[in-house]
Amino acid sequence: DAKTTQPPSMDCAEGRAANLPCNHSTISGNEYVYWYRQIHSQGPQYIIHGLKNNETNEMASLIITEDRKSSTLILPHATLRDTAVYYCIVRVGTSGTYKYIFGTGTRLKVLA
Amino acid sequence: DTAVSQTPKYLVTQMGNDKSIKCEQNLGHDTMYWYKQDSKKFLKIMFSYNNKELIINETVPNRFSPKSPDKAHLNLHINSLELGDSAVYFCASSQGQGVVRNIQYFGAGTRLSVL
Repeated sequence: DAKTTQPPSMDCAEGRAANLPCNHSTISGNEYVYWYRQIHSQGPQYIIHGLKNNETNEMASLIITEDRKSSTLILPHATLRDTAVYYCIVRVGTSGTYKYIFGTGTRLKVLA
Repeated sequence: DTAVSQTPKYLVTQMGNDKSIKCEQNLGHDTMYWYKQDSKKFLKIMFSYNNKELIINETVPNRFSPKSPDKAHLNLHINSLELGDSAVYFCASSQGQGVVRNIQYFGAGTRLSVL
């Protein structure tokens, strides 16, 4: 059962910020949010993760609302190579048996 | 050097056959996983092993049997293949189970087509 909902597709102009939303209204207090992306025909690739604070790394920023019911992945300057399916994931379980519950993904198309 | 490698990349077979997919990771990770991605691109975990011990076993038909001969390898054997088994199967690995240690690295996938 999916714990996240994402829009099926989005477009973004090259060089602009891409903001990808995710709803996870049933998330529990100790469940982390992870984001991965899958470029056509490849395996998913890790982007970023967070619990309740906003996070930033060299690839993206993750903004998590205070009630933790939703988050937004931000690609600050999208390039054509960022065209991919972006998955919002909730990690569930207990120590020793954690597992990812993938959402249905957002297909991001970066336009030249 | 490919971190997580799966073989074969493509597998076309007839219904009723038995087939295996192999996975190897050279990252020194303790935990390995098998996922199934269906035609709608939905990714779902099937199994996970930690140091050769099965720790996650989702509701998967018992025709699917994972085997981990050592912590660098996790193979998937499928008996009596059915049409519905057609999918892309991904292997992944992570250092372990902590938050950062749980970041998973995926292989390129094995596209299984059952005719």
